[in-house]
Amino acid sequence: DVKVTQSSRYLVKRTGEKVFLECVQDMDHENMFWYRQDPGLGLRLIYFSYDVKMKEKGDIPEGYSVSREKKERFSLILESASTNQTSMYLCASSHSGQGMNKGELFFGEGSRLTVL
Amino acid sequence: RKEVEQDPGPFNVPEGATVAFNCTYSNSASQSFFWYRQDCRKEPKLLMSVYSSGNEDGRFTAQLNRASQYISLLIRDSKLSDSATYLCVVNTLRWTGNQFYFGTGTSLTVIP
Repeated sequence: DVKVTQSSRYLVKRTGEKVFLECVQDMDHENMFWYRQDPGLGLRLIYFSYDVKMKEKGDIPEGYSVSREKKERFSLILESASTNQTSMYLCASSHSGQGMNKGELFFGEGSRLTVL
Repeated sequence: RKEVEQDPGPFNVPEGATVAFNCTYSNSASQSFFWYRQDCRKEPKLLMSVYSSGNEDGRFTAQLNRASQYISLLIRDSKLSDSATYLCVVNTLRWTGNQFYFGTGTSLTVIP
C-alpha cells in the first residue's frame, strides 16, 4: 500500500520555537509538496520540491523553509514559530509526469500544529 | 482570478437524494482533473479522476467539459456516509513537474 507518512500528528509549540515537520513517501515520487489548510481558506501551497535539493516557493512561503536531501524525504521548517502558523499541515507527493496513474496527488495524514 | 472556483455550499440533502457539485478552472492548459473527498480533520483522499469522456464509479459520476473549463460531480442515492467535503483539483504540468490547484471545497451533509 502506497504511503506518505508525516512524523507528528499533533504538536504544541511555543512562540519563537523552531519546528520541524518531517514527511516520507515510499512511492519514488519526484514531486513533494507542503500545504497548510485553514477553515475557509482551503489548501494553500507553502513550498514544493521537484527533485532532490530542488525547491520552489509556493503561495505562502514566508516564515517557512524546506529541505530535501533525499528523494523520499521532504522537511518543513518553521524557524521561529508564531501563533498565526497554528494550522493543519499536509504533505503530499506525486510523480512528475502525466498519463495513467501519474497525475494523482497522495497526501499524508496531516500534522496539526498549535503555537501558543 | 482563482485557478479553481468551487461553490462552498453547504449542501444539506436527505438520504437518497441526488446532488451535483460544480467547479470551474481558469487555465486551459490544465491536463488532469480530480475529485477528492476530505472527512473532518482527515487528509484528502482521491475519490475519482475525471476524464473527457466522463466516468462513473457506482453512485458517482464525474464529467469534464474542456470547452467551458468546467468539472462536475454527481452523487446519486446519497448515503449518510457521503457526508464530507469534496475538493475539486486541477493538475497542470509545468517544467517543475505537476502543479495542483485546489478549489476551497464543497461541504455535503446527508440528513437521515
